[in-house]
Amino acid sequence: KQEVTQIPAALSVPEGENLVLNCSFTDSAIYNLQWFRQDPGKGLTSLLLIQSSQREQTSGRLNASLDKSSGRSTLYIAASQPGDSATYLCAVRRGRDDKIIFGKGTRLHILP
Amino acid sequence: GAVVSQHPSRVICKSGTSVKIECRSLDFQATTMFWYRQFPKQSLMLMATSNEGSKATYEQGVEKDKFLINHASLTLSTLTVTSAHPEDSSFYICSARGPGNNEKLFFGSGTQLSVL
Repeated sequence: KQEVTQIPAALSVPEGENLVLNCSFTDSAIYNLQWFRQDPGKGLTSLLLIQSSQREQTSGRLNASLDKSSGRSTLYIAASQPGDSATYLCAVRRGRDDKIIFGKGTRLHILP
Repeated sequence: GAVVSQHPSRVICKSGTSVKIECRSLDFQATTMFWYRQFPKQSLMLMATSNEGSKATYEQGVEKDKFLINHASLTLSTLTVTSAHPEDSSFYICSARGPGNNEKLFFGSGTQLSVL
């Protein structure tokens, strides 16, 4: 059974710092991994999607890496801003038509 | 990008009433939509997979008679919480896979259900 763990559960950092959010999964046989952002009481916004054959994806100040063999992914946020404050969720999918499994998320707070 | 619209955003109802939540794909057709439930500070838990023109597939432990799903068109799926009780209070979110070969999931804005 696939389990997705995100560490830390919460993180507060001063504005401008670079930071790394971690995601680990127990079954390395995944189809893809996706990082999402969720604002309080809102839906999810897709940030980055990494296919199983890829090692990283970048979008602006965000970079996500994937090490399938070790069951890990990281989301790197450069030059953090107060607007980055949100909960970040990672999710893995075993097959194209399989359901995706979410971690509990990391609640990020950027201090102005 | 693909847009998924969900409403209402918030519902407060009395125990025993039924509540319908709509999920629409606005600019693409979604043969498959997914319904999730999220409790405070918890992860999203998949409730069911909604397939256009056929019966939904429910996850283990989810009562299909309690949570009725209808996916009558390629752009609309509905979730009806029947005879709601306080323990059904939660945040419900729908999602759809992006159009064509887009592997990303796009989510609605969620519905906060509070049952008194």
